[in-house]
Amino acid sequence: SQTIHQWPATLVQPVGSPLSLECTVEGTSNPNLYWYRQAAGRGLQLLFYSVGIGQISSEVPQNLSASRPQDRQFILSSKKLLLSDSGFYLCAWVGTIGIMNTEAFFGQGTRLTVV
Amino acid sequence: GQQVMQIPQYQHVQEGEDFTTYCNSSTTLSNIQWYKQRPGGHPVFLIQLVKSGEVKKQKRLTFQFGEAKKNSSLHITATQTTDVGTYFCAGQGGGFKTIFGAGTRLFVKA
Repeated sequence: SQTIHQWPATLVQPVGSPLSLECTVEGTSNPNLYWYRQAAGRGLQLLFYSVGIGQISSEVPQNLSASRPQDRQFILSSKKLLLSDSGFYLCAWVGTIGIMNTEAFFGQGTRLTVV
Repeated sequence: GQQVMQIPQYQHVQEGEDFTTYCNSSTTLSNIQWYKQRPGGHPVFLIQLVKSGEVKKQKRLTFQFGEAKKNSSLHITATQTTDVGTYFCAGQGGGFKTIFGAGTRLFVKA
């Protein structure tokens, strides 16, 4: 079965510092991968998704970028963090049947606090 | 772009009372999914509905998909303290986007 590894679990970073969050998936090939952000007590905001190596769809213009250097690796980055980047970042693998999305499997998440 | 609205934002119930959360989409959905997130945890998949008017049950949970495939509901009968958490609906947007509602946070008082 598929496993999603996401690290670190918690992170405290100063404003203006860079960010790199990594997500890797095991047990599946050519997965559709997603990055979501959840502000405290709020819903899940879709940030980026990728259907293959080097293919990134950005949903919300912001201070973040994503890359997919390998089939089962998805990276979320920022060159300079803002206070508003604080939140709970979740990586997900979403199954597909043809063009229909099925269940989303989430990593454990990274709780980022920008100070 | 597509939006998925979910109400209420919060719900406080006494243990044993029923609970319902509602989800509405601005566009027709090919399918809808429901997730539960315990405090401090990540969302966990509960169920997926695909057919118009579909109703599915999981023990005390009943899920419905509207006839027009633009709305859905989750009903919990006789809530228990273990039901505490945030319940999200999610629909497929254009392409392979999975768009989540804002969630309904359920508090259960023993």
